[in-house]
Amino acid sequence: NAGVTQTPKFQVLKTGQSMTLQCAQDMNHNSMYWYRQDPGMGLRLIYYSASEGTTDKGEVPNGYNVSRLNKREFSLRLESAAPSQTSVYFCASSGTGVSYEQYFGPGTRLTVT
Amino acid sequence: QKEVEQDPGPLSVPEGAIVSLNCTYSNSAFQYFMWYRQYSRKGPELLMYTYSSGNKEDGRFTAQVDKSSKYISLFIRDSQPSDSATYLCAMRKNSGGYQKVTFGTGTKLQVIP
Repeated sequence: NAGVTQTPKFQVLKTGQSMTLQCAQDMNHNSMYWYRQDPGMGLRLIYYSASEGTTDKGEVPNGYNVSRLNKREFSLRLESAAPSQTSVYFCASSGTGVSYEQYFGPGTRLTVT
Repeated sequence: QKEVEQDPGPLSVPEGAIVSLNCTYSNSAFQYFMWYRQYSRKGPELLMYTYSSGNKEDGRFTAQVDKSSKYISLFIRDSQPSDSATYLCAMRKNSGGYQKVTFGTGTKLQVIP
């Protein structure tokens, strides 16, 4: 049981390049999330998927797109990377218990030069 | 004004000390209160959650919620070097049928042997 996995772990992009961050969970969770974490800003929600087949914008969606490929996988795409997107990206998933506990992946450290 | 405010620290204490970590919030719609622990270069993991005013204990950890003052705390007794991490408070409210979680910016704790 791997929990939430993310690839890649590290990535360096030049301004204007595109890339896709991959996320998968094996806990049969309905909901999945993409966050970015920046110093002094905390975790900010980019997009979320409450269930397979649905996606919604979070707090900071501009410059990103997502795909909920199936129940397990939720990808985040940067179409034209900008230096402002330099951050650590976390994927998370949650079930529907009382706590709605979110389980986080190990993160992707992205640098855009 | 941010919905959730958390002192970023860093907080440095000697081993065995009692640690107090705090968050304030402005939105009375928050119903569930959580503390996540994040080790360096790892994803956050849920430490404790509660949904009522009062105290909740789990081993050396006590979560306290005061809804009238919009104030939550996490106390760590007999702190250990292994407690060195960033602690994030998080709060959840129902937002249009979706359980929206807002995170604090995190307090970095160092426990010195």
